[in-house]
Amino acid sequence: DIQLTQSPSSLSASVGDTVTITCRASQSISSFLSWYKQKPGKAPELLIYTASTLHSGVPSRFSGSGSGTDFTLTITSLQPEDFATYYCQQSFGTPPMCSFGQGTKVEIK
Amino acid sequence: QVQLQESGPGVVKPSETLSLTCTVSGASISSNHWSWIRQAPGKGLEWIGYIFHTGSTNYNPSLKSRVIISIDTSKNQFSLKMTSVTAADTAVYYCARRRYYEIWSDSKSRKSYYMDVWGKGTTVAVSS
Repeated sequence: DIQLTQSPSSLSASVGDTVTITCRASQSISSFLSWYKQKPGKAPELLIYTASTLHSGVPSRFSGSGSGTDFTLTITSLQPEDFATYYCQQSFGTPPMCSFGQGTKVEIK
Repeated sequence: QVQLQESGPGVVKPSETLSLTCTVSGASISSNHWSWIRQAPGKGLEWIGYIFHTGSTNYNPSLKSRVIISIDTSKNQFSLKMTSVTAADTAVYYCARRRYYEIWSDSKSRKSYYMDVWGKGTTVAVSS
């Protein structure tokens, strides 16, 4: 099974800051990685797929990069609505399996 | 726009079977793939499984022995059944649409899958 490890588990930041979250896979997953945002009591929302493709309607302050085993989600100019928990998800394999990272909580400093 | 709505009992007794349905509107269930994901209280997301419009399925190995996902194209719905539930199965259960982006590498096509539309989730408590 492919394990995804996110770091940090939580972070504190201020409005306007740039935040970077890392997701590391236990084996190479090419670019088969997506990122999601989840606010308390709400369903997750897709932000980025295929490591770096921004989903329709997602603000351009969100960006993703990486391939192989190391990936990053960057949020520039953090906005109040960005305080949430972020998850990475992989879909590698034949047949393609699915697993999520443990999540990174972005809190207000 | 595409909307998904989970439905089913909010409480299930230990050792019994959990049954949930996801109703899809705004899209044909025959044209996409569909997933179930759950989230235990205060925990992260756990993938349960997915179903193709053809009825072909794939499950999380840790749940495979207890889970069946099925599809009803006439009702534009897909369903989850989980047998022999315990308190550890208490969670919010989400259904989601599964899409893919085709990646070409070394003249080979591969699909990168993601979930682009989610239901609001339904809470299931396992309790006697």
